[in-house]
Amino acid sequence: ETGVTQTPRHLVMGMTNKKSLKCEQHLGHNAMYWYKQSAKKPLELMFVYNFKEQTENNSVPSRFSPECPNSSHLFLHLHTLQPEDSALYLCASSQPTSGTAEQYFGPGTRLTVT
Amino acid sequence: EDQVTQSPEALRLQEGESSSLNCSYTVSGLRGLFWYRQDPGKGPEFLFTLYSAGEEKEKERLKATLTKKESFLHITAPKPEDSATYLCAVQPVSNDYKLSFGAGTTVTVRA
Repeated sequence: ETGVTQTPRHLVMGMTNKKSLKCEQHLGHNAMYWYKQSAKKPLELMFVYNFKEQTENNSVPSRFSPECPNSSHLFLHLHTLQPEDSALYLCASSQPTSGTAEQYFGPGTRLTVT
Repeated sequence: EDQVTQSPEALRLQEGESSSLNCSYTVSGLRGLFWYRQDPGKGPEFLFTLYSAGEEKEKERLKATLTKKESFLHITAPKPEDSATYLCAVQPVSNDYKLSFGAGTTVTVRA
């Protein structure tokens, strides 16, 4: 595996379900991110982890719960979601200490809440 | 608050018809401006980083330029495979992790 991988690629869940999204980066980076992408809207940063420590939480509802067990893996736990949470969820990683700050993205999980 | 505005929202080109995409930004100290390409159903793919006004970067038919207020992505003699959504993002000097994205320009190139 290379780059950033995400599973599952597609997920349909009811409002009462609990599910988790998984992200793994194979780039040796120390920072990982969750973004939400809705149609016709800019990417919204949800959470940032640096060396497993959460550094940003952009007022995300508590029904989204991130977990970063190590610098290569990132999870997003979902529970009691709303239909408006349907979107493409993207994971990214970067290595800010290298002098460049570009983020590398995974393919995303397309989430549909019914 | 950092802001990024991309125009036009959509662009339809004939193969070989060169054009430019605009990214206007406001940021409290620019660390870098980034261009990404996103194909339908996929994650954004990194293209360029620009750091200072006057800088230019090229990759195949794409050329990105930067001024103090905006960036342009020039597509020269596009081919159908250049069809995608192009995203612009800025990062402030004050934050190593934050990227503020524009909504993107969707480019369609017809053969």
